[in-house]
Amino acid sequence: GQQLNQSPQSMFIQEGEDVSMNCTSSSIFNTWLWYKQDPGEGPVLLIALYKAGELTSNGRLTAQFGITRKDSFLNISASIPSDVGIYFCAPANDYKLSFGAGTTVTVRA
Amino acid sequence: EAGVAQSPRYKIIEKRQSVAFWCNPISGHATLYWYQQILGQGPKLLIQFQNNGVVDDSQLPKDRFSAERLKGVDSTLKIQPAKLEDSAVYLCASSVTGATVSYEQYFGPGTRLTVT
Repeated sequence: GQQLNQSPQSMFIQEGEDVSMNCTSSSIFNTWLWYKQDPGEGPVLLIALYKAGELTSNGRLTAQFGITRKDSFLNISASIPSDVGIYFCAPANDYKLSFGAGTTVTVRA
Repeated sequence: EAGVAQSPRYKIIEKRQSVAFWCNPISGHATLYWYQQILGQGPKLLIQFQNNGVVDDSQLPKDRFSAERLKGVDSTLKIQPAKLEDSAVYLCASSVTGATVSYEQYFGPGTRLTVT
């Protein structure tokens, strides 16, 4: 079956830092989505990528759809406290999303 | 534009009891999804509706879970009887049907179910 690996599993950020996370799959996907989930809330769509090689930005967020269609990364630049939460990659085929296990971002004390 | 609405937000029941969750999708969204999210994991699709028809229910434990979307708008997910392992957040999502934007699913706040 298809395997989806999201890394790192968790990370600590300091305000102002750039952070990066990625997702790799054993299968090819047509679309990669990135979501953020805050405690007690549903996931919120951050970025959608539709073409292999595509690089898309949304404010301080940048994501790329890998050329092989088996991976994607998400970068957050100049992180702020409200960036804490759980980030999920969600690649898709046939309008069905597969969610990674998530990257938990917390603030370094 | 109003988002996906879900109720209740929290529910605590004993094992073997029944429970139902309700979802109202974003207006105009023909496709509706129910997901189960166990603590520490990503959401897992249970069932997908397009209008009032089931598109995919391959991951739905049909011996105890059921879902309906009778008029193609709001939907109900039921568990009967509940087991301890059903403790999770149940998320509803909706999307526009047609073209690439169908991949973009919008989630409600979820219902946190605790089975004791």
